[in-house]
Amino acid sequence: GAVVSQHPSRVICKSGTSVKIECRSLDFQATTMFWYRQFPKKSLMLMATSNEGSKATYEQGVEKDKFLINHASLTLSTLTVTSAHPEDSSFYICSAAFDSYGYTFGSGTRLTVV
Amino acid sequence: GIQVEQSPPDLILQEGANSTLRCNFSDSVNNLQWFHQNPWGQLINLFYIPSGTKQNGRLSATTVATERYSLLYISSSQTTDSGVYFCAVPLNQAGTALIFGKGTTLSVSS
Repeated sequence: GAVVSQHPSRVICKSGTSVKIECRSLDFQATTMFWYRQFPKKSLMLMATSNEGSKATYEQGVEKDKFLINHASLTLSTLTVTSAHPEDSSFYICSAAFDSYGYTFGSGTRLTVV
Repeated sequence: GIQVEQSPPDLILQEGANSTLRCNFSDSVNNLQWFHQNPWGQLINLFYIPSGTKQNGRLSATTVATERYSLLYISSSQTTDSGVYFCAVPLNQAGTALIFGKGTTLSVSS
């Protein structure tokens, strides 16, 4: 139980285009989801907390107009990287808390901007 | 905010060796988790261990909450143990985002 599905697993896009990453909770309702970014050989950096039906909370230094987060239902959160540039290339991971102490993670999306 | 530090950053072992990974955190926590990130990026939850000791096969973990550290023990290491090990604690109360340490990269050779 408590599975989060993340798609796509890998995407290559051209500079200037936008890319949408989906994160779905398959067998539980996730009122809150989290988005992380991971650079090669680095740790996971929290980007934002996604709240169902309300605006996301972004961490300091994360551009909310660059990384648009939508959490329109209890099972789906999306991250859209707008006007992507090569420096946005990274590994993006979503997560959800399925109870007070349990966390589950998506399998990640490797974004390459060319 | 809370700080999480892991050591060592890198560890190279021969198959069959034992190892200890350490995680220090700067404030009291009600949740601490250890993860293994495989070469494909998937995070696998190893332990939820805010205090005490747990064991799962060749892996065990101990958290001393009063002294703000946790240890992950890997015994009789295998090549499949290679990868990055992270500890993580909540940003604040339970249910909030986890904050990750920088990880320990383990390489086990045969």
